[in-house]
Parts: sequence; structure tokens; C-alpha cells
Amino acid sequence: NAGVTQTPKFRILKIGQSMTLQCAQDMNHNYMYWYRQDPGMGLKLIYYSVGAGITDKGEVPNGYNVSRSTTEDFPLRLELAAPSQTSVYFCASSGSDTQYFGPGTRLTVL
Amino acid sequence: AQSVAQPEDQVNVAEGNPLTVKCTYSVSGNPYLFWYVQYPNRGLQFLLKYITGDNLVKGSYGFEAEFNKSQTSFHLKKPSALVSDSALYFCAVRDNPSGQNFVFGPGTRLSVLP
Repeated sequence: NAGVTQTPKFRILKIGQSMTLQCAQDMNHNYMYWYRQDPGMGLKLIYYSVGAGITDKGEVPNGYNVSRSTTEDFPLRLELAAPSQTSVYFCASSGSDTQYFGPGTRLTVL
Repeated sequence: AQSVAQPEDQVNVAEGNPLTVKCTYSVSGNPYLFWYVQYPNRGLQFLLKYITGDNLVKGSYGFEAEFNKSQTSFHLKKPSALVSDSALYFCAVRDNPSGQNFVFGPGTRLSVLP
């Protein structure tokens, strides 16, 4: 049982490039989330999903897209990277009331 | 809309002394409250939660938290701090058991000094 896994761990992008952050969970959780954490700040919700095929915006969705084709996977897509998207990204999943987090992806946009 | 405040950016405590990390919240309905810990370069780890029942909740690593409805607080406590408890602590709230909108506080950095 690996829990929540994220790849890659680190990535440097140039402005305007695109990439996909991968997230997978093996706990058969219906709910999955993407957060970003900026230095000295708490977590801000980007997108979340309540089940396969269903996604919804969180607090800071601009510049990101998600899809949920399976229960296990919840990738986050950055289409045109901007310096403001430099952050640490965390994926989480939940079966009921408690969220379980992945180790994070540290993204730098230069 | 719910919100969470952690009034202290930093808490310093000597090893062996009791520690308290403060959290206050605002929700329109019944609160569902959580504490998470984050070690350097790691994801958040669940410590404990209050859903219903006893106001004193016990969690992982000897931590506990006290729910106080009249003061809308959910302070994290430990009777005897360890140097290894040094980390970033987040309080979070949701406004119902099936709602998926977790709101996290800004975090409090705990430093336990040897």
C-alpha cells in the first residue's frame, strides 16, 4: 500500500512550457485534491474531484487543468507556465473525513 | 464560509516542557477539525481529528487537542515536547462530514530546543 504518490519530485520549467504533474492513490478513495503551498503560506486548493469523471475548481484554479478518468489517478496540467506558478504542489486523497497527502512536487518556473 | 486562524507564526519550547499550538476557527455549521504536521521537504501527515464526542481528542505521537465550542478553538497540546516534534503544524476545518472543502490555517512553526 503506497498511499498517495506524486511524480516528479522536482521540475524546472521555462516560461510558456507545459507539463503534467502526476498523482496516484491506491486506497480506492473517491475524493482527490490538488493544493499549492507557497513559502510561509498555508495550502490553497487548486482543483478537487469527488469521483471518476467529476472535477471542480478550488480557490486558485487559474492556469491549471485536471482530469479524473480513473479512481486512482488525478493529474494536474499546467498549459503555459508562469513564474507565479513556482510553488510546491501537493496531491491528497480522502475516503471520508481525513485527507492523506503525497510527498509533493517542487516546481520552479524561470 | 469557513476560516482558520493560527495566531502564532512560531512557537519555541524547551525539550521536556509542555507545548501548545493554537487554532481558532469559524464555520457556519458544526465544525470538523483536523491537525496535520509537516516535516521539512515532506507532505502533510495527519495527527488527529475532532468530528464529534469527547472534547479532548488523542492522536499520533502523544499529541492531543481540545475542542472548545464556546471559544471556537482547537488547540494542539503535548505534555512533554521532544526535539523531534520540531516541524510545521497546520490546523484545518471543514463544515460537514461529506463536504470536501477543507480550509487550512497558515501554519505554525514549532521549534523544540534541547
